[in-house]
Parts: sequence; C-alpha cells; structure tokens
Amino acid sequence: GENVEQHPSTLSVQEGDSAVIKCTYSDSASNYFPWYKQELGKRPQLIIDIRSNVGEKKDQRIAVTLNKTAKHFSLHITETQPEDSAVYFCVSGGYQKVTFGTGTKLQVIP
Amino acid sequence: SQTIHQWPATLVQPVGSPLSLECTVEGTSNPNLYWYRQAAGRGLQLLFYSVGIGQISSEVPQNLSASRPQDRQFILSSKKLLLSDSGFYLCAWSVTSGGVLAKNIQYFGAGTRLSVL
Repeated sequence: GENVEQHPSTLSVQEGDSAVIKCTYSDSASNYFPWYKQELGKRPQLIIDIRSNVGEKKDQRIAVTLNKTAKHFSLHITETQPEDSAVYFCVSGGYQKVTFGTGTKLQVIP
Repeated sequence: SQTIHQWPATLVQPVGSPLSLECTVEGTSNPNLYWYRQAAGRGLQLLFYSVGIGQISSEVPQNLSASRPQDRQFILSSKKLLLSDSGFYLCAWSVTSGGVLAKNIQYFGAGTRLSVL
C-alpha cells in the first residue's frame, strides 16, 4: 500500500519567519495531494491541495509544491502567525482512499 | 449543505466491554465513508472505509469492525475493548463521483475521544 513520510515531526519558528514541511510518497498512481491542519482537540480541516498535473499552487501565505518524478511534495507557510500553530498533515490521495502522513507539530513563537 | 454527525463526543469504557460509535452524513448521496483512529500526539490511521452500502474495506487487522447499514450511516464496533483501543476516533466522508479526476477531500466529524480503562 501507499506509504507517506513526513518531516519534520516538530517545528518551531519565530513569528514572521517561514515554515516548510516536506513529504514523500510511494504510490506513483496517487494523483491528489491535500494538506490538512488540525488544531488542538479539533478535527482536521483542508487548507490547500494540489493535483498531480500541477507543480505549484499558492493561496495567500500558503503554497504547495509537487515533484511528481521524485514523489516529493512540500508545504510552505510564509510570514507565520501564532494562529498557524497546529499539527499539519500531508496526504497522498487516490480515488477511494487517502493516506495521511505522520504529522508535523508547528509552533509559532510570538 | 452537507453535515456530518458523530457521537458520542467522549466515552470511557472498561476493558472487555463492547463499543458502538455512530456517524451519519446529511446533504449528500452515496458518499465514501471512513473511520480513522488517532493516538495521542500521532497521525491518523485509516481503520475502515466504505464506498457503498454493505461494502467495507478493512485496513488494519484488529478487534474492531465496521458496518454501513444505510447509505449515510457508518458504525464502528467492537465486541471486547482492549486498552490499546484508546484514542481519538474520527469519521469522515468524501465524494468522488466525478471519477478518477475527482478530489478525494475528506470532511471530518468532531471525533469521539475513547478511553479504555
């Protein structure tokens, strides 16, 4: 089955700095790569996604990149704010099921 | 609009007792339904998913089972709980009726925090 590795597991940044989270996947048939944010005690929510036919996508302070050849994808958050503190999950998606990465706990220090 | 209901929010059960968690979705037809478990400080482990009534795929062998008696109802059960069953259980739905090009966006319920003592 699909295997998704996510790094780092924890990340601390100063407010205003950038944060980068990286993931690799194994199934070359995966064609959809969303990212979810989970605040403490709450449900995961989609924040951005990218299809396999697109290399990069940006939404305000958040951007995702995908290297399908290398099976790598990354989340970039610029100008981080305290409310960005949460656990972030990368996901490798197929038609019926998806595989979550192990999560990155991001702490933004004011 | 679509909504997902999951209950109970918290549950404390003794080892060896049975379990039944229920999830229902409103506002959509023939959704894909999922059960995940999240251990404290860990990622989401897919337990079961269903693409239609009576169709259940199991991802992890364990003492849990799932059933889908109705189109928008998904139930997670156990006959005898283990200590290791403690965790945060999340139900989710998605719609991929657009075929292989559809986005499999997971919409999660609020979760059930299960403590097995």
